[in-house]
Amino acid sequence: GAVVSQHPSRVICKSGTSVKIECRSLDFQATTMFWYRQFPKQSLMLMATSNEGSKATYEQGVEKDKFLINHASLTLSTLTVTSAHPEDSSFYICSAVPGQGATGELFFGEGSRLTVL
Amino acid sequence: AQSVTQLGSHVSVSEGALVLLRCNYSSSVPPYLFWYVQYPNQGLQLLLKYTSAATLVKGINGFEAEFKKSETSFHLTKPSAHMSDAAEYFCAVTGPSGNTPLVFGKGTRLSVIA
Repeated sequence: GAVVSQHPSRVICKSGTSVKIECRSLDFQATTMFWYRQFPKQSLMLMATSNEGSKATYEQGVEKDKFLINHASLTLSTLTVTSAHPEDSSFYICSAVPGQGATGELFFGEGSRLTVL
Repeated sequence: AQSVTQLGSHVSVSEGALVLLRCNYSSSVPPYLFWYVQYPNQGLQLLLKYTSAATLVKGINGFEAEFKKSETSFHLTKPSAHMSDAAEYFCAVTGPSGNTPLVFGKGTRLSVIA
């Protein structure tokens, strides 16, 4: 099946620094990728929709200047958490849609756990 | 707009007993429905999906779900629980247009008692 790889799986950083998380579709091209955030023992909340070659679309309440999304190629989207603070600590998961997404199925990365000290 | 309601944030069953995790959806368009499983500190693994074909869907690890339009439900079942089934389960919905995000329920944590 389709594979989505996310890196790093875990990252610990100091408050005020920036962290980049990569999401790669390994065996298919993805014009659209989605970024989700999951707080402990909670569900996944959509943060933004990443479109190759264009600006990301952010959900209401998500700061676009804090969570920078770049979708530079059909196989890579990156999420940069800028000037991270402890409240940004969370589990971030990306997902991608193969081709035109006719089945509606998303393939998920393994997730990246961010801890901000 | 679409939404999913998972009844019961925590379900506990004995090993070998029936597993039933409930999911009701709301959708203004024909829904595509999914069940995912998440183990601690891991991503999501697809268990099964309904995409307007057969209403009874069989997935991995012995799980199955039945789409019932009249009840707007997509409950997940497994005849006999195994210890390895203990995890968090998410029901999700999207529309058939493609390239649209999934909307997730709040999740149900399944515990299996020996």
